[in-house]
Amino acid sequence: QKEVEQNSGPLSVPEGAIASLNCTYSDRGSQSFFWYRQYSGKSPELIMFIYSNGDKEDGRFTAQLNKASQYVSLLIRDSQPSDSATYLCAVGGPGDSTLTFGKGTMLLVSP
Amino acid sequence: DTGVSQDPRHKITKRGQNVTFRCDPISEHNRLYWYRQTLGQGPEFLTYFQNEAQLEKSRLLSDRFSAERPKGSFSTLEIQRTEQGDSAMYLCASRSTGSGYTEAFFGQGTRLTVV
Repeated sequence: QKEVEQNSGPLSVPEGAIASLNCTYSDRGSQSFFWYRQYSGKSPELIMFIYSNGDKEDGRFTAQLNKASQYVSLLIRDSQPSDSATYLCAVGGPGDSTLTFGKGTMLLVSP
Repeated sequence: DTGVSQDPRHKITKRGQNVTFRCDPISEHNRLYWYRQTLGQGPEFLTYFQNEAQLEKSRLLSDRFSAERPKGSFSTLEIQRTEQGDSAMYLCASRSTGSGYTEAFFGQGTRLTVV
């Protein structure tokens, strides 16, 4: 059984701060890693994906992957109240099949 | 094409009734996924199609659930003899496959309430 673990939160940060979201996964064969943002009552939308160890930056977002530790993180710099949402970590196995999602971490950014 | 479309957006049904949901993927996408999401949980995989072929079903999917994608375009998900535990958001996603990564786009979901 593939598992993806996230702290459910809420993670509270002040506006302008860095928010750090973490995720661990159980399947060492996992090859693709995704961060989705989900506003309440809405469907998930992709923020970033990462395949290789190291960091990947896109605007205010940085994804970090450490396959040896089976750990993925998402950093959000200069957090804004509009970033307040649930952040879902999703992991894909070998090949091109399905994603396993974590339960999500709720982020609250206070003005 | 404005994205993945799901119908209905909301469905309230009595326990024991059958319900059917529809998903229209982005037109050029050959792969279509169904997920279920309950409050406080992440999306849980149910099944997926490559064109009209159903390639994988979750072991969690009971035989009351059936999905089709008859012409490789839209898909339906039917739940027979609904139970209160079936109450959830049912999400459809689609993507194209090929070289390199392609993003899966989610529809707005169908929220099912079984009373």
